[in-house]
Amino acid sequence: AQKVTQAQTEISVVEKEDVTLDCVYETRDTTYYLFWYKQPPSGELVFLIRRNSFDEQNEISGRYSWNFQKSTSSFNFTITASQVVDSAVYFCALSEAGNQGGKLIFGQGTELSVKP
Amino acid sequence: DTGVSQNPRHKITKRGQNVTFRCDPISEHNRLYWYRQTLGQGPEFLTYFQNEAQLEKSRLLSDRFSAERPKGSFSTLEIQRTEQGDSAMYLCASRDGGRNSPLHFGNGTRLTVT
Repeated sequence: AQKVTQAQTEISVVEKEDVTLDCVYETRDTTYYLFWYKQPPSGELVFLIRRNSFDEQNEISGRYSWNFQKSTSSFNFTITASQVVDSAVYFCALSEAGNQGGKLIFGQGTELSVKP
Repeated sequence: DTGVSQNPRHKITKRGQNVTFRCDPISEHNRLYWYRQTLGQGPEFLTYFQNEAQLEKSRLLSDRFSAERPKGSFSTLEIQRTEQGDSAMYLCASRDGGRNSPLHFGNGTRLTVT
């Protein structure tokens, strides 16, 4: 069975601190996709990144970076120099290859609070 | 690109009543998905359409739930004989057919059953 675990329910940091959100997944598929979504207070889920299981290169986009490690089934997300606008709930998600990212298994989410 | 639109934003209903939600996907997206999100949890997949065909339904979708996408554009999700356990945020998402295209979510419809 597929499963995504985000062990950190809530994280609180002060602005400009770096913060890492953990994500551990379980799947029997050899081909799969991993995602991160952001859900601000407005409620709309915003796509941040998609990774396929064959691509273990880390990715950096501005202040965001992602560390995919197949050996530990983890796909962690780091925000560098956090800002108040980063406050939101962040979800990690998993999809089988056949779904190509439509049917997602989400983790429970990590609520990030960035204080000024 | 006006985004995925969902109506209404909020719905309060009494137990036993029927409710219907509407989702307008991004116009060129042929795939449409419904998810349900309860407080403090991640969204859970309910059902999926490719054009007008409903291709998959979750076990979460009991007989009281029905979804349609009659012309392959907008979709409706109806819940009959609502129960308090149906209280949740109902999210709609769409994507195009490209292999790398992500899901685009709407703002959701928050249902409260009293």
